[in-house]
Amino acid sequence: AQSVTQLGSHVSVSEGALVLLRCNYSSSVPPYLFWYVQYPNQGLQLLLKYTTGATLVKGINGFEAEFKKSETSFHLTKPSAHMSDAAEYFCAVSSGYSTLTFGKGTMLLVSP
Amino acid sequence: DAGVTQSPTHLIKTRGQQVTLRCSPISGHKSVSWYQQVLGQGPQFIFQYYEKEERGRGNFPDRFSARQFPNYSSELNVNALLLGDSALYLCASSPGPTTEAFFGQGTRLTVV
Repeated sequence: AQSVTQLGSHVSVSEGALVLLRCNYSSSVPPYLFWYVQYPNQGLQLLLKYTTGATLVKGINGFEAEFKKSETSFHLTKPSAHMSDAAEYFCAVSSGYSTLTFGKGTMLLVSP
Repeated sequence: DAGVTQSPTHLIKTRGQQVTLRCSPISGHKSVSWYQQVLGQGPQFIFQYYEKEERGRGNFPDRFSARQFPNYSSELNVNALLLGDSALYLCASSPGPTTEAFFGQGTRLTVV
């Protein structure tokens, strides 16, 4: 079975500050890992994904994440937050793209 | 190119009623998955269909059923609605069962 834990249901940052959203996973097989963003009343948009290879993954809108097998983590970062980054972020794990197991989400709040 | 389209966008049903939600995948995609997202939670996997056959089922009661049609569109049916079925229902399509999934905007179901 696979599971995802996202630390912090809400994270608040100031515009221009570093964004760090934490994700830890559990998987009995090599994981595929994903970060999705969801704006109010919208579906999910893929930010980035890790499958195999390079452990530092770059995504859209300046986000990146690093797969750390020893720590079973896949934290999402962005050097400088914009107001438009305010949304809910979901980390997900799968055994090979097929079905996704999501975390409970982290709401990112960005203040001016 | 049209993305994943879901209909209706919103609906309200009464406890005990039945509901059908519809999903049209991206052209060329043969796999459709359904997820339930209760307010404040991450999406939970319900079903996956590929080439009109069920490829996976999540931990949901038999009141939930789905099917995929020859044109790869899909319907999710929920019988005997409960208040707890109120959620955003997300459809995701992918070219195959183990390839990246693209999500629709969802159907917001409210059971009263």
